[in-house]
Amino acid sequence: EADIYQTPRYLVIGTGKKITLECSQTMGHDKMYWYQQDPGMELHLIHYSYGVNSTEKGDLSSESTVSRIRTEHFPLTLESARPSHTSQYLCASSLQGAGEQYFGPGTRLTVT
Amino acid sequence: GEDVEQSLFLSVREGDSSVINCTYTDSSSTYLYWYKQEPGAGLQLLTYIFSNMDMKQDQRLTVLLNKKDKHLSLRIADTQTGDSAIYFCAAFSGGYNKLIFGAGTRLAVHP
Repeated sequence: EADIYQTPRYLVIGTGKKITLECSQTMGHDKMYWYQQDPGMELHLIHYSYGVNSTEKGDLSSESTVSRIRTEHFPLTLESARPSHTSQYLCASSLQGAGEQYFGPGTRLTVT
Repeated sequence: GEDVEQSLFLSVREGDSSVINCTYTDSSSTYLYWYKQEPGAGLQLLTYIFSNMDMKQDQRLTVLLNKKDKHLSLRIADTQTGDSAIYFCAAFSGGYNKLIFGAGTRLAVHP
């Protein structure tokens, strides 16, 4: 079973608030990812990291930012949340050079 | 660029076999994966196949790979209601060093 955790699982906030979604993994994986997924729809890669101090933008433009100060931790921050940010955010990790990714349970974000 | 395509919906009767199909474009894909997503959850890795294999069987799951046609399928034998979920096909492109996901196939199992 994958050891990758996301908090909170559910979040409802008002427009304009700053939020940070947490993601941690205990598998020692170098690569980590953030995906945005509307319920039951396809995944969109928004950020990824090859390792500590490495962050890259994904295929889908996002107003969020990420940081990678420690191998196990890859938080995602929205400086000013908007209703268009309402979605599910999935964090994943993998070994360097490997395809299989392990996913966290997701954070369901609703911005009112 | 690289792409992975799947049909969006599949409905089967409980006890029948389900076959979910997937095509991909990157001929350098080395590993191909099937993930399962249940409502409100993350993706769970179900199985994978290396590109030099034609078939892999794991209990009720059978993966078939036709590398010439770049076609991948997942067969679930004796489908149960607990198999109702979205199934994502994914191809690992060694050249691009990234995992490309399909849009997912929603499997509905009815009595």
